[in-house]
Order: sequence, then C-alpha cells, then structure tokens
Amino acid sequence: DAKTTQPNSMESNEEEPVHLPCNHSTISGTDYIHWYRQLPSQGPEYVIHGLTSNVNNRMASLAIAEDRKSSTLILHRATLRDAAVYYCILRSTYNAGNMLTFGGGTRLMVKP
Amino acid sequence: EPEVTQTPSHQVTQMGQEVILRCVPISNHLYFYWYRQILGQKVEFLVSFYNNEISEKSEIFDDQFSVERPDGSNFTLKIRSTKLEDSAMYFCASSGRTGVGETQYFGPGTRLLVL
Repeated sequence: DAKTTQPNSMESNEEEPVHLPCNHSTISGTDYIHWYRQLPSQGPEYVIHGLTSNVNNRMASLAIAEDRKSSTLILHRATLRDAAVYYCILRSTYNAGNMLTFGGGTRLMVKP
Repeated sequence: EPEVTQTPSHQVTQMGQEVILRCVPISNHLYFYWYRQILGQKVEFLVSFYNNEISEKSEIFDDQFSVERPDGSNFTLKIRSTKLEDSAMYFCASSGRTGVGETQYFGPGTRLLVL
C-alpha cells in the first residue's frame, strides 16, 4: 500500500472544528483513502473513506484534493470523546488479504 | 449495534506457555483478522482468514502462531510457545465482505503479558 504522512499530534478546543491532514503523494488511481481512529485503550474504529469525491457521514467529513495527493479529515465540532489517534490509510485494489496498514497516525488532543 | 467481542481482556502467562485468544466476530461476517499492537507502537497486521483458510499473513505470523474457526461463532489465535516479545495488545477484526471499500470492525482487544 502507498505511504501516508500525518502530523504526529494536533490540539483542538472543544466544540471547534478540527482539520486533520494527510499527505499521500504516491497514491495510485485505484487506492481508496480510509480513516480509522483509536480511542485510548480501545481497538481501532472506522471513521470514513472515499476515492475521489468528498464524503460526509455522521462522524466526520473527508475532503480529498483534486489531484488526490492529500486529504483532510474534518470533525465539525470536536468533543472530549474525539481525543484519539487518527490514522489515514490507503487501501489498494491489489491488496489480496485486505489488511489495513497502520502508520503512526495523528494524536488529537481536545482541550475543554 | 453488533460488535466484535474478545476474551479474555487480560492474560498473563509464563514464557514458553501456550495461549489461546478468543474472538467472536460479528455474526454475518465472513472475513476475519488478527492485529497486534506492542505498547507505544503501531498496530500491525498478523493474519487474515476467509472460508476456513488463511488469506494472507505477515512475517510476524510465524510457525508459533495459528488461527482457527472451531465453530460457527468463534475465531481463535493460538501462540504455541510464547516469548517475551509477544507481549502486546491483540485485536480481532471482522468484515462482511472483501474489497478496498469494506470496513473492518475491531474488538476491544486482549492484553497479553508474557513474563
């Protein structure tokens, strides 16, 4: 799977929007962009995914650059419960086992 | 909402002992996975399993590891002779289908400590 680059950590204030960036300059045309998060002492949790168009769900929005070399996960109003490590993962069509390859992620801290 | 469950939540064992970690995937899911996370490190893929066969495994998943779906509900990871470096959080995951758009649902993990 192609590599992603994320900041190690970010801080946000409660009830403010958070934009978590991810660079994936070597993305191929058929790679999907997935985001998972891991709350403290829990297993990873799916957040959102997309291919080319921006996506919205109840948890977050995903904004994908036109050239697909970067994407941004948007939490519209951060809560204390959103404090977690957020992982940006590329999923390849040619990944036969469908494994997820986790990087270091971005540790989001939310201040009250 | 359906969820993946794992037992035990914590396991302490002596080096060289066998351990079996148990998982109950979401009931209509067909694809199963094990991952591990050593304290302070990344989540690492171990193995994927479908139709009673291993689909893919990482280099971590050596001959000391095995997986099994002994009945219609459980999915197990066995470590035959544990080593100190096997101490980690082990996560089971399942998905309903395969493909790059599918979502994997993770359990809460089993914390394994090898002494």
